[in-house]
Amino acid sequence: QSVLTQPPSVSAAPGQKVTISCSGSSSNLGNNYVSWYQQLPGTAPKLLIYENNKRPSGIPDRFSGSKSGTSATLGITGLQTGDEADYYCGTWDSSLSTGVFGGGTKLTVL
Amino acid sequence: QVHLVQSGAEVKKPGDSVKVSCKASGYSFTNYFMHWVRQVPGQGLEWMGIFNPNDGSTTYAQRFQGRVTLTRDTSTTTVYMEMSSLRFEDSALYYCARDRLGYPHDTISYGMDVWGQGTTVTVSS
Repeated sequence: QSVLTQPPSVSAAPGQKVTISCSGSSSNLGNNYVSWYQQLPGTAPKLLIYENNKRPSGIPDRFSGSKSGTSATLGITGLQTGDEADYYCGTWDSSLSTGVFGGGTKLTVL
Repeated sequence: QVHLVQSGAEVKKPGDSVKVSCKASGYSFTNYFMHWVRQVPGQGLEWMGIFNPNDGSTTYAQRFQGRVTLTRDTSTTTVYMEMSSLRFEDSALYYCARDRLGYPHDTISYGMDVWGQGTTVTVSS
């Protein structure tokens, strides 16, 4: 049981937009930045979004992030087959004093 | 170029200990926190602990407290993760991951921007 809650799967057609939600509590998302990670099959996770909505260099602007209260959302526009991956949200939990991840969301581009 | 290179796969018996290394290069080793994350095959990411290479301080997830130890060798810019009393369910892929920030910030997670390639630990009798 993950501290952060994500939908197990989402799907959309190529070229379309998809959003992935991440729900937490006041001790984690409510008071700390959220990060998003993409894990392509057989590879290590990759940072997509940090500090709720900032993209590291090299991450296309098709990827966006937002946070409101204890929930966060990752948006991906112009879906490509290469975006098929598992996506994880992560943050710090100030009550547990630990890092926490969501359970992950599998994106299928139909 | 920033790199994290981890040690090779390990096969251990229940009750054994394992020590995984993570060699950092291309950046100032003591200025960035280092996380350890594990992933059981087919499952999600699990945060294990964070290490501050500047002062050697650590914070562990409660479930690993007392069984995992994070250390460093500053001369070789390497961080180590040692896990004792291994169980079958510890079979997983273990990653080191650099945090975006480090000293003098609070030792928490700000986002993990560089990841090692992962080390497979198999616990089998």
